[in-house]
Amino acid sequence: EIVLTQSPATLSLSPGERATLSCRASQSVSNYLAWYQQKPGQAPRLLIYDASNRATGIPARFSASGSGTDFTLTINSLEPEDFAVYYCQQHINWPLTFGQGTRLEIK
Amino acid sequence: QVQLQESGPGLVKPSETLSLTCTVSGGSIRSYYWSWIRQPPGKGLDWIAYIYYSGITNYNPSLRSRVTILLDASKNQFSLELSSVTAADTAVYYCVRHGGMVRGGKDAFDIWGQGTTVIASS
Repeated sequence: EIVLTQSPATLSLSPGERATLSCRASQSVSNYLAWYQQKPGQAPRLLIYDASNRATGIPARFSASGSGTDFTLTINSLEPEDFAVYYCQQHINWPLTFGQGTRLEIK
Repeated sequence: QVQLQESGPGLVKPSETLSLTCTVSGGSIRSYYWSWIRQPPGKGLDWIAYIYYSGITNYNPSLRSRVTILLDASKNQFSLELSSVTAADTAVYYCVRHGGMVRGGKDAFDIWGQGTTVIASS
């Protein structure tokens, strides 16, 4: 099973700042990595697939990069609605697995 | 647009079987992979199982002995059965869609149901 480790666990920033979230895989996942955003009481929402492709309707301030074992999600100029929990997920090997999440909170 | 809706009992007694159904609306259940994912209270996300409309299935090894996933194309539904539940199975259960046959389901989860809370308690 591929283990995904996200860092930091919690990130405290202010609106307008840039957020950088990391995800490291225990073995290479090539570019088969996705990022999700989850707000309280809601289902996760797909942000990024195949490591760097924005899903339909996702604002351009969300960008992502990486391949192999190290991945980054960047959110430029944080909006109030961006404060949530973010999960990475590998979709190359079964069982598909998620990271433990990074909580992005308002400073 | 495609929407998913979970349904089923919100309370299951320990040792009994949890049964959930996901209804797909706004599109066909054919040509895609469909999964169940759960999230225990305050915790992260765990993939449980997938089914392809042809009947291909795959299960998380951690739950394989207790899980069955089924699909009824005539009703545009798929379902989850989890036997011998314990308190550890208390979670929000999501049904989700992911890719087609091209990548054998190895795609991101692009459409999610709203989730249904299941509590395993006597």
